[in-house]
Parts: sequence; C-alpha cells; structure tokens
Amino acid sequence: GAVVSQHPSRVICKSGTSVKIECRSLDFQATTMFWYRQFPKQSLMLMATSNEGSKATYEQGVEKDKFLINHASLTLSTLTVTSAHPEDSSFYICSARDPTIQVRPYEQYFGPGTRLTVT
Amino acid sequence: GESVGLHLPTLSVQEGDNSIINCAYSNSASDYFIWYKQESGKGPQFIIDIRSNMDKRQGQRVTVLLNKTVKHLSLQIAATQPGDSAVYFCAENPDRGSTLGRLYFGRGTQLTVWP
Repeated sequence: GAVVSQHPSRVICKSGTSVKIECRSLDFQATTMFWYRQFPKQSLMLMATSNEGSKATYEQGVEKDKFLINHASLTLSTLTVTSAHPEDSSFYICSARDPTIQVRPYEQYFGPGTRLTVT
Repeated sequence: GESVGLHLPTLSVQEGDNSIINCAYSNSASDYFIWYKQESGKGPQFIIDIRSNMDKRQGQRVTVLLNKTVKHLSLQIAATQPGDSAVYFCAENPDRGSTLGRLYFGRGTQLTVWP
C-alpha cells in the first residue's frame, strides 16, 4: 500500500514553454501533498505544501507564479513549471501523507520523481 | 534543516561491516525525525523514524540515535549489504504541535558497500 506515482518520469521542453507534472496517490487519499526539487548530488528541497481544496503554501524563496500547484482532489496534485528556463532543469519529487496512519503521522510517501530538462 | 548547494559526503564500507551515518539538524523545535534511503533516479524510501521524546529506536538491522543536546542524529546499519548502497537522508519535522507535517531534509550521505 501507500503508493505514489508521478507522470511523466522524464520530460524535455523548450525554454519558454510550460510543463505539467502529475502526482497521484494510488491506494490512499492524501489530504496533503508536498513538492520537492533535487539537484544532482544534493538534498531534497521542499518547495511547497499542497492541501486538497486550498491554495498551496510555498517555502521562502520559491516563486509561486512560476511553480503553480493545484491539488484538486484527494488523490491528485499537479505542479506546472511556467515559462521554463534551463535553470529550472531538475529532479522534481512529490510526496503524500496518509492521515489515517496514526503510528507514523508525519511519514511521507514519495513518488519516483520527474526529470525535467529545459533546452 | 534544508540543505541547498552542498555536495554529498560519502561513506565506503566493506560488505558485512557496520555503517554509521550521521546527520545534523537545524531546528531545536523539531519533534520528529525520519531516515530515508534514496537509490539513484528514484524517490526516497522510509527506513526508520524517531520522536524527540526518545533517544534510540531499533528496527531490522537499523538503529537510529538522537542527541537533542547537540542536534544530531545517526543511523547505524548492521551487517551492511551491497543492496544498502544508496544515498541516506535524515529529515526533520519542524512544525511542532502543528498538523502541517512538513519535512526538511538534511545533507545526505552516499553509502557505497564493497563486496
């Protein structure tokens, strides 16, 4: 159980275009999902916290107009990178919490990640 | 805490030896910690967690130690196997008393196990 999927796994786009990444919880309902980015050989950096039916909360320094997050249902959150530039190239990972788990309430289940390359 | 712009330290061990991976966290208010394992090109996988009211917790072949005085965590892996080769991250929940549930990841350590 507690499987999170991401689509696409890899995407290449041209500078100036927008790209959407989907994150789905497959076998549980996730009231909260999180988006991270990770540069090669570096740690995961939390970008934003996404709650179903409300606006996302962005971490300091993350441009909310550039990284649009929508959490329209309990099983789907999307991240749209708008007007992408080469410096946006990164590994984007989502995670989800299962609020029914009482033993480990803060555990996050991670998706496999999306490799974005902007040319 | 968050770790941006720093490259990963590495640890190389022989198969069968014990491994100790260390992590410093930044927020003294953090009350919950998790160790994650990340294989190349994949998302992190849960290994073990610990709450701030504990100083030690054991799992299968893994032990986590928490020293709140110096804000330090360690992960001990017994009888390390080649399949343990990965990057290991500690993560802290900085939102004590809140249901936000954010996790801030530490720097990470690349563990390589030699046969």
